[in-house]
Amino acid sequence: DGGITQSPKYLFRKEGQNVTLSCEQNLNHDAMYWYRQDPGQGLRLIYYSQIVNDFQKGDIAEGYSVSREKKESFPLTVTSAQKNPTAFYLCATAGTGGQPQHFGDGTRLSIL
Amino acid sequence: QKEVEQDPGPLSVPEGAIVSLNCTYSNSAFQYFMWYRQYSRKGPELLMYTYSSGNKEDGRFTAQVDKSSKYISLFIRDSQPSDSATYLCAMSARGGGADGLTFGKGTHLIIQP
Repeated sequence: DGGITQSPKYLFRKEGQNVTLSCEQNLNHDAMYWYRQDPGQGLRLIYYSQIVNDFQKGDIAEGYSVSREKKESFPLTVTSAQKNPTAFYLCATAGTGGQPQHFGDGTRLSIL
Repeated sequence: QKEVEQDPGPLSVPEGAIVSLNCTYSNSAFQYFMWYRQYSRKGPELLMYTYSSGNKEDGRFTAQVDKSSKYISLFIRDSQPSDSATYLCAMSARGGGADGLTFGKGTHLIIQP
């Protein structure tokens, strides 16, 4: 099936632990994005990448890190420096030529 | 003042009614406007994507953009219980939100059978 796959659906983090969220796509899209959604809030941009081996900080990048070694994959690491990591994390992709963003089904991260 | 304002609701209407959802914004650089529908525990699904001012229709959905007033709307005709969801407006200065989208908080819509 074509699409955007986020895994796992649910993730728990212990204090002081880094965790990595996976986002994989087979749409051949160049651009990939990570957003965070808190209850009753809109989505906020964490990081984005428009091409392999390049990425930019979004509005709330502190405490997060990313890599883009392959076109298909854009993993997000939530580090121990992120003091309030409990949220719904959404990955999006977009093709070239101003195509709109499409989203995966998210990973819900909670603190143990 | 936040960049994008959207009434969180909940907005409750009877089945078959016309629904009007709205967002206002402050950044005059925004040119691309989107509406997403989000069901509980799911990712947002793109409903409408428009550029600059004007109207766009797709089935029961109509999107309107008034850049002079910095105001966008989504109309849903013949609303169905399956339309019950949170509706998010999003916008950007560049096509496809190339450097990220700015979202409203979302409006929770309930269609009563």
